Amino acid sequence: AQTVTQSQPEMSVQEAETVTLSCTYDTSESDYYLFWYKQPPSRQMILVIRQEAYKQQNATENRFSVNFQKAAKSFSLKISDSQLGDAAMYFCAYRILIQGAQKLVFGQGTRLTINP
Amino acid sequence: GAGVSQSPSNKVTEKGKDVELRCDPISGHTALYWYRQSLGQGLEFLIYFQGNSAPDKSGLPSDRFSAERTGGSVSTLTIQRTQQEDSAVYLCASSPWGLTYEQYFGPGTRLTVT
Repeated sequence: AQTVTQSQPEMSVQEAETVTLSCTYDTSESDYYLFWYKQPPSRQMILVIRQEAYKQQNATENRFSVNFQKAAKSFSLKISDSQLGDAAMYFCAYRILIQGAQKLVFGQGTRLTINP
Repeated sequence: GAGVSQSPSNKVTEKGKDVELRCDPISGHTALYWYRQSLGQGLEFLIYFQGNSAPDKSGLPSDRFSAERTGGSVSTLTIQRTQQEDSAVYLCASSPWGLTYEQYFGPGTRLTVT
Protein backbone atom coordinates (compact mmCIF):
# COMPACT_ATOMS: atom_id res chain seq x y z
CA ALA A 1 0.00 0.00 0.00
CA GLN A 2 1.14 3.52 -0.74
CA THR A 3 0.49 5.71 2.26
CA VAL A 4 1.72 8.86 3.92
CA THR A 5 1.26 9.36 7.65
CA GLN A 6 1.43 12.65 9.48
CA SER A 7 1.04 11.77 13.13
CA GLN A 8 0.56 15.33 14.39
CA PRO A 9 -2.85 16.76 13.46
CA GLU A 10 -1.95 20.06 15.13
CA MET A 11 1.23 21.78 16.23
CA SER A 12 1.95 25.17 17.70
CA VAL A 13 5.14 27.13 18.16
CA GLN A 14 6.19 30.50 19.48
CA GLU A 15 7.20 33.05 16.91
CA ALA A 16 10.96 32.94 16.17
CA GLU A 17 11.33 29.41 17.53
CA THR A 18 11.89 26.15 15.67
CA VAL A 19 9.31 23.47 14.99
CA THR A 20 9.55 20.05 13.37
CA LEU A 21 6.66 18.36 11.55
CA SER A 22 6.77 14.59 11.20
CA CYS A 23 6.01 12.45 8.17
CA THR A 24 6.45 8.79 7.39
CA TYR A 25 5.55 7.04 4.16
CA ASP A 26 5.30 3.60 2.71
CA THR A 27 6.16 2.71 -0.86
CA SER A 28 7.83 -0.16 -2.66
CA GLU A 29 9.15 2.12 -5.39
CA SER A 30 12.82 3.02 -5.42
CA ASP A 31 12.59 6.19 -7.47
CA TYR A 32 10.31 8.85 -6.06
CA TYR A 33 10.15 12.46 -4.94
CA LEU A 34 9.03 13.79 -1.59
CA PHE A 35 7.38 17.13 -0.98
CA TRP A 36 6.11 19.41 1.70
CA TYR A 37 3.24 21.66 0.68
CA LYS A 38 1.77 24.56 2.62
CA GLN A 39 -1.94 25.41 2.39
CA PRO A 40 -2.99 28.73 3.96
CA PRO A 41 -6.68 29.62 4.40
CA SER A 42 -6.73 30.85 0.80
CA ARG A 43 -6.65 27.12 -0.20
CA GLN A 44 -3.69 27.69 -2.51
CA MET A 45 -1.25 24.77 -2.24
CA ILE A 46 2.27 26.13 -2.18
CA LEU A 47 5.36 23.98 -2.58
CA VAL A 48 7.67 24.49 0.38
CA ILE A 49 10.47 22.03 -0.33
CA ARG A 50 11.16 18.83 -2.23
CA GLN A 51 13.61 15.96 -1.96
CA GLU A 52 14.70 13.46 -4.56
CA ALA A 53 14.84 9.99 -3.05
CA TYR A 54 18.16 9.17 -4.70
CA LYS A 55 19.87 12.13 -3.05
CA GLN A 56 21.31 11.57 0.39
CA GLN A 57 21.79 15.24 1.14
CA ASN A 58 18.87 16.84 2.92
CA ALA A 59 17.14 19.62 1.00
CA THR A 60 17.15 23.15 2.39
CA GLU A 61 15.18 26.24 1.37
CA ASN A 62 15.98 29.27 3.51
CA ARG A 63 14.31 28.66 6.89
CA PHE A 64 12.92 25.29 5.79
CA SER A 65 14.89 22.08 5.86
CA VAL A 66 14.14 18.38 5.87
CA ASN A 67 15.51 15.34 7.63
CA PHE A 68 15.23 12.55 5.07
CA GLN A 69 15.82 9.04 6.40
CA LYS A 70 15.26 6.74 3.43
CA ALA A 71 15.71 3.46 5.26
CA ALA A 72 13.24 4.51 7.92
CA LYS A 73 10.94 6.09 5.30
CA SER A 74 10.83 9.28 7.29
CA PHE A 75 10.70 12.82 5.94
CA SER A 76 10.33 15.52 8.58
CA LEU A 77 10.17 19.27 7.99
CA LYS A 78 11.99 21.73 10.22
CA ILE A 79 10.95 25.37 10.23
CA SER A 80 13.47 27.68 11.84
CA ASP A 81 12.77 31.20 13.10
CA SER A 82 9.03 30.67 12.75
CA GLN A 83 7.07 33.61 11.42
CA LEU A 84 3.38 34.46 11.66
CA GLY A 85 3.06 33.90 7.92
CA ASP A 86 4.07 30.28 8.37
CA ALA A 87 0.71 29.50 9.95
CA ALA A 88 -1.07 27.05 7.63
CA MET A 89 -1.86 23.40 6.98
CA TYR A 90 1.24 21.48 5.97
CA PHE A 91 1.00 18.40 3.83
CA CYS A 92 3.67 15.80 3.24
CA ALA A 93 3.46 13.99 -0.11
CA TYR A 94 5.36 11.73 -2.41
CA ARG A 95 5.17 11.31 -6.13
CA ILE A 96 5.81 8.12 -8.00
CA LEU A 97 5.60 6.95 -11.58
CA ILE A 98 3.49 3.85 -12.13
CA GLN A 99 2.91 2.49 -15.62
CA GLY A 100 3.50 5.88 -17.14
CA ALA A 101 1.16 7.68 -14.78
CA GLN A 102 2.19 10.06 -12.04
CA LYS A 103 0.54 9.76 -8.65
CA LEU A 104 0.86 12.23 -5.81
CA VAL A 105 0.00 10.68 -2.46
CA PHE A 106 -0.70 13.08 0.42
CA GLY A 107 -0.77 12.76 4.16
CA GLN A 108 -3.68 14.05 6.24
CA GLY A 109 -1.92 17.29 7.09
CA THR A 110 -0.67 19.10 10.17
CA ARG A 111 -2.20 22.40 11.19
CA LEU A 112 0.57 24.73 12.36
CA THR A 113 -0.24 27.68 14.62
CA ILE A 114 2.29 30.40 15.30
CA ASN A 115 1.91 32.15 18.66
CA PRO A 116 3.07 35.76 18.74
CA GLY B 1 2.85 34.35 -16.03
CA ALA B 2 -0.65 33.15 -15.23
CA GLY B 3 -1.02 30.25 -12.85
CA VAL B 4 -3.58 27.48 -12.79
CA SER B 5 -7.11 28.87 -12.67
CA GLN B 6 -10.31 27.14 -11.65
CA SER B 7 -13.94 28.10 -11.95
CA PRO B 8 -16.23 28.56 -10.26
CA SER B 9 -14.53 29.43 -6.99
CA ASN B 10 -17.56 28.25 -5.06
CA LYS B 11 -20.55 26.20 -6.12
CA VAL B 12 -23.67 25.37 -4.17
CA THR B 13 -25.96 22.82 -5.72
CA GLU B 14 -28.92 20.72 -4.75
CA LYS B 15 -28.61 17.01 -4.26
CA GLY B 16 -29.27 15.17 -7.51
CA LYS B 17 -28.11 17.97 -9.82
CA ASP B 18 -25.13 17.72 -12.16
CA VAL B 19 -22.15 20.07 -11.82
CA GLU B 20 -19.18 20.93 -14.00
CA LEU B 21 -15.91 22.19 -12.60
CA ARG B 22 -13.36 23.78 -14.89
CA CYS B 23 -9.57 23.91 -14.78
CA ASP B 24 -7.27 26.03 -16.95
CA PRO B 25 -3.70 24.77 -16.60
CA ILE B 26 -0.54 26.74 -17.04
CA SER B 27 0.16 27.20 -20.74
CA GLY B 28 2.46 24.49 -22.06
CA HIS B 29 1.87 22.07 -19.19
CA THR B 30 0.99 18.71 -20.66
CA ALA B 31 0.09 16.97 -17.41
CA LEU B 32 -3.07 17.85 -15.50
CA TYR B 33 -4.36 16.40 -12.22
CA TRP B 34 -7.58 16.53 -10.24
CA TYR B 35 -7.68 16.04 -6.47
CA ARG B 36 -10.46 16.16 -3.90
CA GLN B 37 -10.01 17.56 -0.42
CA SER B 38 -12.78 16.79 2.02
CA LEU B 39 -13.14 18.92 5.15
CA GLY B 40 -10.15 18.44 7.44
CA GLN B 41 -8.64 15.78 5.19
CA GLY B 42 -5.66 15.48 2.93
CA LEU B 43 -5.84 15.46 -0.82
CA GLU B 44 -7.29 12.45 -2.60
CA PHE B 45 -6.07 11.77 -6.13
CA LEU B 46 -8.91 11.53 -8.64
CA ILE B 47 -7.56 11.47 -12.18
CA TYR B 48 -4.54 12.41 -14.23
CA PHE B 49 -4.26 13.55 -17.86
CA GLN B 50 -1.23 13.38 -20.10
CA GLY B 51 -2.24 15.50 -23.06
CA ASN B 52 -5.84 14.56 -23.78
CA SER B 53 -5.62 10.99 -22.54
CA ALA B 54 -6.20 9.82 -19.00
CA PRO B 55 -3.87 6.90 -18.27
CA ASP B 56 -5.02 6.70 -14.67
CA LYS B 57 -8.69 7.02 -13.71
CA SER B 58 -8.41 4.77 -10.70
CA GLY B 59 -9.09 7.54 -8.21
CA LEU B 60 -12.55 8.46 -9.46
CA PRO B 61 -14.83 7.49 -6.55
CA SER B 62 -17.82 6.35 -8.63
CA ASP B 63 -19.21 6.28 -12.15
CA ARG B 64 -20.98 9.56 -11.39
CA PHE B 65 -17.59 11.23 -11.77
CA SER B 66 -16.04 11.84 -15.17
CA ALA B 67 -13.45 14.16 -16.60
CA GLU B 68 -12.28 15.23 -19.98
CA ARG B 69 -9.59 17.37 -21.44
CA THR B 70 -9.74 18.87 -24.88
CA GLY B 71 -6.96 20.35 -26.96
CA GLY B 72 -4.44 19.39 -24.34
CA SER B 73 -5.50 22.38 -22.27
CA VAL B 74 -8.75 23.01 -20.39
CA SER B 75 -10.21 20.18 -18.35
CA THR B 76 -13.71 19.70 -17.00
CA LEU B 77 -14.63 17.49 -14.06
CA THR B 78 -18.30 16.50 -14.13
CA ILE B 79 -20.23 15.09 -11.21
CA GLN B 80 -23.64 13.69 -12.07
CA ARG B 81 -26.51 13.30 -9.61
CA THR B 82 -24.53 14.97 -6.82
CA GLN B 83 -24.69 13.59 -3.31
CA GLN B 84 -23.95 15.33 -0.02
CA GLU B 85 -20.77 13.30 0.38
CA ASP B 86 -19.47 14.98 -2.79
CA SER B 87 -19.14 18.23 -0.84
CA ALA B 88 -15.44 19.08 -0.84
CA VAL B 89 -12.81 21.32 -2.36
CA TYR B 90 -11.75 20.12 -5.80
CA LEU B 91 -8.20 21.08 -6.66
CA CYS B 92 -6.58 21.01 -10.06
CA ALA B 93 -2.83 21.00 -10.71
CA SER B 94 -0.66 21.01 -13.79
CA SER B 95 2.96 20.31 -14.60
CA PRO B 96 5.27 19.68 -17.49
CA TRP B 97 5.63 15.99 -18.28
CA GLY B 98 8.21 14.16 -16.21
CA LEU B 99 8.82 12.98 -12.69
CA THR B 100 11.21 15.82 -11.92
CA TYR B 101 8.65 18.57 -12.31
CA GLU B 102 6.54 19.90 -9.48
CA GLN B 103 2.79 20.26 -9.72
CA TYR B 104 1.35 23.76 -9.62
CA PHE B 105 -2.04 23.96 -7.96
CA GLY B 106 -5.04 26.13 -8.66
CA PRO B 107 -7.09 27.77 -5.89
CA GLY B 108 -9.74 25.07 -6.00
CA THR B 109 -13.51 24.96 -6.28
CA ARG B 110 -15.47 24.56 -3.08
CA LEU B 111 -18.51 22.41 -3.85
CA THR B 112 -21.39 22.31 -1.40
CA VAL B 113 -24.24 19.89 -2.02
CA THR B 114 -27.39 20.74 -0.03
